[in-house]
Amino acid sequence: AQSVTQLDSQVPVFEEAPVELRCNYSSSVSVYLFWYVQYPNQGLQLLLKYLSGSTLVKGINGFEAEFNKSQTSFHLRKPSVHISDTAEYFCAVTDDNYGQNFVFGPGTRLSVLP
Amino acid sequence: DAGVIQSPRHEVTEMGQEVTLRCKPISGHDYLFWYRQTMMRGLELLIYFNNNVPIDDSGMPEDRFSAKMPNASFSTLKIQPSEPRDSAVYFCASSVSWAGRYNEQFFGPGTRLTVL
Repeated sequence: AQSVTQLDSQVPVFEEAPVELRCNYSSSVSVYLFWYVQYPNQGLQLLLKYLSGSTLVKGINGFEAEFNKSQTSFHLRKPSVHISDTAEYFCAVTDDNYGQNFVFGPGTRLSVLP
Repeated sequence: DAGVIQSPRHEVTEMGQEVTLRCKPISGHDYLFWYRQTMMRGLELLIYFNNNVPIDDSGMPEDRFSAKMPNASFSTLKIQPSEPRDSAVYFCASSVSWAGRYNEQFFGPGTRLTVL
C-alpha cells in the first residue's frame, strides 16, 4: 500500500535561515508528488508538484523540492524563510494505481521565529 | 474561476441535529473529494466521486454520514444525527484528470463544524 511519511511534526526556524521539510513515500510504481501549504484558518494550496521530467522542481514563494527515486524522498527546501512562511506543510503522493486519489502525509508545522 | 466554493464557512449546532455541508467544485473538474481535518487525526479522506459517481466511501466514519453529488456542479455531505466528536473542519476539493496524468487537487476554504 502507498504511504507518506513526514518525519518532523514541528520545525522551528529563525527568520532568514534555510529550512528543509522531509517527505518520504512508499510506492512500487511511477509516482507523482505534491507539496501543499495550509495557512491558519485556510484551505490547502499547492506549492509545487512533480509529475515527470527534471527532478528539481521550483514552486511558489521561493520553495523548491527534489525528487530522489533511489531514496524515495521529495524534500522541500527554502534558502531563506520569512515570518509569513509559518504554516502547516503537507506532502502528498499518488501513482498509477491510486490515480487522482492522493495519499497525504501527516503534515509538518513550520514556525518561523523573529 | 472562483475556485472551490464551500458553504457554510462556520456551523454551530447541537448534538442530534442534522448538518448539511455544501460544495461547488471548479467547473470542468471531474473528481470531487471530501476531507475531514482534526488535530488528533489530521487530514482524512471521507469519500470521493468521479463524474458524479461515488468511487470510494471507505473513509466515511459511520452510517450517520452520507454524501451525494446530484450533478457536476454540486455536492453535499450530511451528518444525521450529529455528535460532538464530529466537530472538525471539513474540506471539499476537486481535480481534473486528462491524458493519463494526475493533477493537483484544488481545495475549498473549508467548513468549521462545531457540535455542542
